[in-house]
Amino acid sequence: GQQLNQSPQSMFIQEGEDVSMNCTSSSIFNTWLWYKQDPGEGPVLLIALYKAGELTSNGRLTAQFGTTRKDSFLNISASIPSDVGIYFCAGQLGNTPLVFGKGTRLSVIA
Amino acid sequence: DAGVIQSPRHEVTEMGQEVTLRCKPISGHDYLFWYRQTMMRGLELLIYFNNNVPIDDSGMPEDRFSAKMPNASFSTLKIQPSEPRDSAVYFCASSRDRAIQPQHFGDGTRLSIL
Repeated sequence: GQQLNQSPQSMFIQEGEDVSMNCTSSSIFNTWLWYKQDPGEGPVLLIALYKAGELTSNGRLTAQFGTTRKDSFLNISASIPSDVGIYFCAGQLGNTPLVFGKGTRLSVIA
Repeated sequence: DAGVIQSPRHEVTEMGQEVTLRCKPISGHDYLFWYRQTMMRGLELLIYFNNNVPIDDSGMPEDRFSAKMPNASFSTLKIQPSEPRDSAVYFCASSRDRAIQPQHFGDGTRLSIL
C-alpha cells in the first residue's frame, strides 16, 4: 500500500525559531493535508493543498505541494509555545481514503 | 456548531469484554470515518460511511470489529471480544466534502484492554 514518510520524527526548538518538516510518498497524490494534534485531542486540519506547486499560508504556517506530487512541506515561522504538538501530513489520490504520515512531534523550549 | 462528539473519552475493561464506542458526527456531514491511533502504526483508517452506508471496511482488523451507522447522527464501533492488542485511541471524524477528506475529528476514546 501507499506509504508516507514524515520527517523529522521529533524536534526540539527554541521559541522564536522557524520550523520545517516534510512528507514524502512512494506514489503521487493529488491532495495534501497538514493536521496538528494536541495532547488528548483529535487532529485539527491546518492547511489543505490541491495543486502541484501550490503554496498556501495560514498565519505563521506555510505549506507547499511538491511539484513531483510525491512530497509536501510545512514551515512554521517564529515558533511559540502553543505550537507544541504532533503534526501529521496526509495524502489522497482521487476519492480514495487519506493516508497519514506517522507525525512530527514538535517541542518548543521557551 | 458542535464538533464531532465521541463517548466515552476513556474506557478500561478486561479482555474478553464487549466494548462499544460511540460517535455523533457534525450535523450535515455526509461522511463518517473511524480511525485507530497507536504509537507503532500511527493513524489507521478502519472504516468509513457515506450517507450511513459503509463504503470501505478493509481497514477493520478482524471479525471482532464491527461498525454501524443507523442514522445520520450516530455511529458505533464495537469490539467483541476485546483483546489487549486492541488498546489504542479510537477517533471518529466527519466531513461533508465530496473528496472525502476527514476534516473534523472528535477528541477520541482512549481504550485500554487489560
